[in-house]
Amino acid sequence: VQLVQSGAEVKKPGESVKISCKGSGYSFTGYWIAWVRQMPGKGLEWMGIIYPGDSDTRYSPSFQGQVTISADKSINTAYLQWSSLKASDTAMYYCARPDGSGWFKFDYWGQGTQVTVSS
Amino acid sequence: EIVMTQSPATLSVSPGEGAALSCRASQSVGANLAWYQQKPGQAPRLLIYDSSTRATGLPGRFSGSGSGTEFTLTISSLQSEDFAVYYCQQYNNWPLTFGGGTKVEI
Repeated sequence: VQLVQSGAEVKKPGESVKISCKGSGYSFTGYWIAWVRQMPGKGLEWMGIIYPGDSDTRYSPSFQGQVTISADKSINTAYLQWSSLKASDTAMYYCARPDGSGWFKFDYWGQGTQVTVSS
Repeated sequence: EIVMTQSPATLSVSPGEGAALSCRASQSVGANLAWYQQKPGQAPRLLIYDSSTRATGLPGRFSGSGSGTEFTLTISSLQSEDFAVYYCQQYNNWPLTFGGGTKVEI
């Protein structure tokens, strides 16, 4: 099992960005994929989760309306996107896959994508 | 939203000593509690799930206990590779929530 994330992004406030997480080594449509934020020097925050099989998506209230989570099952890839970035979106973003138990504890993680927003 | 509170924020320990990390939930999460380890520049790693089940390959010096609202991660005899930040996470309710972390330092 591998989750490989896209590379670092440097953007200006107000710009859009879409980062990706490609799964391999397992049935991509059979497992949820979550996104987790880690701001500089801070802890982990769960943002939301998607089931690529039917695109069922759930967001943390803190991130609802701020980001969009999507997936393209034809290429085994999940996405996290912003339409208008703020400086406060500067963070490391991880994707993670829960084990197959039906409960959301995450045994596989991507390597992380650094998003930097600065004028 | 269930708030997860970890204590202490920082724990200073000498190699070979034991450590007990606490995680408290604002309401019961049953046994649906996981612990993760994160080292600088790395993604988190799942250590313990279902409060007390060790992930595959985890050394026996790591153990988890608790249920309801009070949980503990115990590391008996810390090794150099154990100095890291540890997070708890509840998966009993939406939204999923993490604790703020405990940094275990030398």
